[in-house]
Amino acid sequence: GENVEQHPSTLSVQEGDSAVIKCTYSDSASNYFPWYKQELGKGPQLIIDIRSNVGEKKDQRIAVTLNKTAKHFSLHITETQPEDSAVYFCAATYSGGGADGLTFGKGTHLIIQP
Amino acid sequence: EAGVAQSPRYKIIEKRQSVAFWCNPISGHATLYWYQQILGQGPKLLIQFQNNGVVDDSQLPKDRFSAERLKGVDSTLKIQPAKLEDSAVYLCASSLILGQGTRTEADNEKLFFGSGTQLSVL
Repeated sequence: GENVEQHPSTLSVQEGDSAVIKCTYSDSASNYFPWYKQELGKGPQLIIDIRSNVGEKKDQRIAVTLNKTAKHFSLHITETQPEDSAVYFCAATYSGGGADGLTFGKGTHLIIQP
Repeated sequence: EAGVAQSPRYKIIEKRQSVAFWCNPISGHATLYWYQQILGQGPKLLIQFQNNGVVDDSQLPKDRFSAERLKGVDSTLKIQPAKLEDSAVYLCASSLILGQGTRTEADNEKLFFGSGTQLSVL
């Protein structure tokens, strides 16, 4: 089955700086890679996703890159703000029909220092 | 649009007792998932339904866990008997369609999570 590794487990950055979270996956068949943000006491919320036919995707201050050859993908947050403080999870799955439940990484606790 | 509804919000039980969680997905969503999230970890898939049929329950501990989605809408997840290691947040999620090969850039393919039920087994 799929295995997703995520680093770092905790990341502290100054407000306004950039943050980068990295993930690797094991199953070369995986083709869908979403990122979720989870705030305390809430369920995960999808913030951006990327499919294997795309190398990079951007949405305002958030971007995701995918390297299929190396089997790793990264989340980039620029101009960080206090409301970006949360736990971020990467995930992977094969979305070709049938069972497509996501395999999640262990999460990164992002702390934005004022 | 209403989100995924889950209840109860919190539950405290003693080991060997039974417990049930309820989930109401977003209206019209055919696919429903139950995840277990242990403190400090990412969510782990327990079971996936499409309408009222099971698509994947390979990671469900079937000796104590069961789930159903009888009418293809609401779902219940049950644990009987509970163990200390079952303490976790149980998350329900739904999506509009099952993967169909090439996905399009449509919001109806996203996975939406409820706020979860926090279970403490003493």
